[in-house]
Amino acid sequence: DTEVTQTPKHLVMGMTNKKSLKCEQHMGHRAMYWYKQKAKKPPELMFVYSYEKLSINESVPSRFSPECPNSSLLNLHLHALQPEDSALYLCASSQEGGNYGYTFGSGTRLTVV
Amino acid sequence: AQTVTQSQPEMSVQEAETVTLSCTYDTSESNYYLFWYKQPPSRQMILVIRQEAYKQQNATENRFSVNFQKAAKSFSLKISDSQLGDTAMYFCAFTPPHMYSGGGADGLTFGKGTHLIIQP
Repeated sequence: DTEVTQTPKHLVMGMTNKKSLKCEQHMGHRAMYWYKQKAKKPPELMFVYSYEKLSINESVPSRFSPECPNSSLLNLHLHALQPEDSALYLCASSQEGGNYGYTFGSGTRLTVV
Repeated sequence: AQTVTQSQPEMSVQEAETVTLSCTYDTSESNYYLFWYKQPPSRQMILVIRQEAYKQQNATENRFSVNFQKAAKSFSLKISDSQLGDTAMYFCAFTPPHMYSGGGADGLTFGKGTHLIIQP
């Protein structure tokens, strides 16, 4: 299995809702990442988990809450989002350090209304 | 901190032509890894090619090759015999090395991307 699976593919939520994005990989990768991508822009790093511990938080607002329950699973919990948070959210994984490349999921297209 | 610069926002070539996408980067690291990723309209980020900075030999993958100039901090991508399916956003990306167990990860630093259009 050489894939990163993200669910859901599309999500529309109101500003008072709570929702979660899910990411799963079974490649034995020990680093997992959340990126945010706005239209026609490069992905921006949000969080890095290494060996199931949060190692990088790029000053992301607390309305985004990551969780890594085990080495194969990464969640992003969303609460009280703003319309400007609408974007494509990409999950990626890598062998530790990413020297051999990062495998990306196909993303969740999030719209906040 | 690393920076990656792609100076060509958009390029358009005819099918079967050869096209070169430019990328420059800035880092104080002596060893690192460089990548080109392709993102078609399907949104999936696909690894095209990878280069290790301490290897002088330029990486090649079928129709894709790079021209890596370490001293100039330049990492261009050449696509030969371009095909309609090559139409996509192409991102140049950088990551520093991690050689020890449990050392964590930094994520990728991306350039702004080049939108490549292959015309029939």
